[in-house]
Amino acid sequence: GESVGLHLPTLSVQEGDNSIINCAYSNSASDYFIWYKQESGKGPQFIIDIRSNMDKRQGQRVTVLLNKTVKHLSLQIAATQPGDSAVYFCAENIRDSSASKIIFGSGTRLSIRP
Amino acid sequence: EAGVAQSPRYKIIEKRQSVAFWCNPISGHATLYWYQQILGQGPKLLIQFQNNGVVDDSQLPKDRFSAERLKGVDSTLKIQPAKLEDSAVYLCASQQGSYNSPLHFGNGTRLTVT
Repeated sequence: GESVGLHLPTLSVQEGDNSIINCAYSNSASDYFIWYKQESGKGPQFIIDIRSNMDKRQGQRVTVLLNKTVKHLSLQIAATQPGDSAVYFCAENIRDSSASKIIFGSGTRLSIRP
Repeated sequence: EAGVAQSPRYKIIEKRQSVAFWCNPISGHATLYWYQQILGQGPKLLIQFQNNGVVDDSQLPKDRFSAERLKGVDSTLKIQPAKLEDSAVYLCASQQGSYNSPLHFGNGTRLTVT
């Protein structure tokens, strides 16, 4: 199907610890994946992306890992800060005969404990 | 670079009324998307434009929803007549290429149907 799912709907992390948000995707033909952060009242904000010919990509304090064998994606946030509190979505690019489109999962809410 | 602009930010209407949302994408972005985000869920794709042509509208409830992108720049999304279940945030996003590049989102229009 065209679904992108998440293992956990909520995640609570101690400030300063690392956060790991997981995502499972179902379409083995998907070739591009994106992580978004959404704060209350705002649109999703791009964090990091990865193409299917890679298994790891790093940004500033964030790392995305892609395991195509088990169709799993994860977002790691180092030294989690209060400003990281938000809902995080993974999204996949699905291509069919007519078009290429970005499909979102249901999201994980990340909360930070002081 | 200016971001994706959407208006209005909020709209409250009664069921069976009509409503329209407007989106101005990032300059030079050829691809434009409308997503519907119901509270607590991930964005759901409604329609995708490439310049002024429709690429995918398979998830658009065409009996009540319509969208256009005249001249390949601004876009409007209309609902007529609205139902209670249309209450959601309507997000517009633009993309520089046609695939394998991130979407840039506006802050959305929050629609409440009473």
